[in-house]
Amino acid sequence: EAGVAQSPRYKIIEKRQSVAFWCNPISGHATLYWYQQILGQGPKLLIQFQNNGVVDDSQLPKDRFSAERLKGVDSTLKIQPAKLEDSAVYLCASSLVRAYNEQFFGPGTRLTVL
Amino acid sequence: AQSVTQLDSQVPVFEEAPVELRCNYSSSVSVYLFWYVQYPNQGLQLLLKYLSGSTLVKGINGFEAEFNKSQTSFHLRKPSVHISDTAEYFCAVSLAAGNQFYFGTGTSLTVIP
Repeated sequence: EAGVAQSPRYKIIEKRQSVAFWCNPISGHATLYWYQQILGQGPKLLIQFQNNGVVDDSQLPKDRFSAERLKGVDSTLKIQPAKLEDSAVYLCASSLVRAYNEQFFGPGTRLTVL
Repeated sequence: AQSVTQLDSQVPVFEEAPVELRCNYSSSVSVYLFWYVQYPNQGLQLLLKYLSGSTLVKGINGFEAEFNKSQTSFHLRKPSVHISDTAEYFCAVSLAAGNQFYFGTGTSLTVIP
């Protein structure tokens, strides 16, 4: 069974530039999560989708971050414009429908904003 | 509001010694509890989870955790660690009645040869 795929693995940009990350969840997983993990901290949930609807985006900085999950499969997370404090690893995870289902994580995208 | 506290940011331990990684949570409602492990430059992997039933939960790689409702704790233990256990360990909480998920700040376990 293929795992959660993410690309790119690494990205370096300058502040005020735009960047996009892509995630392809495990086939059949209805729930998709985007997390931000700043160095030395635990993952912080940015947005959670169930199929192609948003379940929770309360911690997503909506003035600069956006995410979509068209057709309820893969997803993109965009930052526009980026700030220095956005430097982090962006993790994508997927699971079956309920919260008690195991989340399967991708390898993450390490973003460095200069 | 729910929160997860991992009391130790770094835990060094000698190979073959026992280890306990501590996790406390705060919640006024029923929760599910998880431990995840993150090896360098990799995503997180589930070690074990508590949903209901027996308070002692066994996971992969010889780890186990005990749910203590009165102390709102879910400490992770292993009787004898290996070098390969060196990693970051995260405790997480999910509300039983919803889908929100909260991670602790992590504990870096370093196994010393």
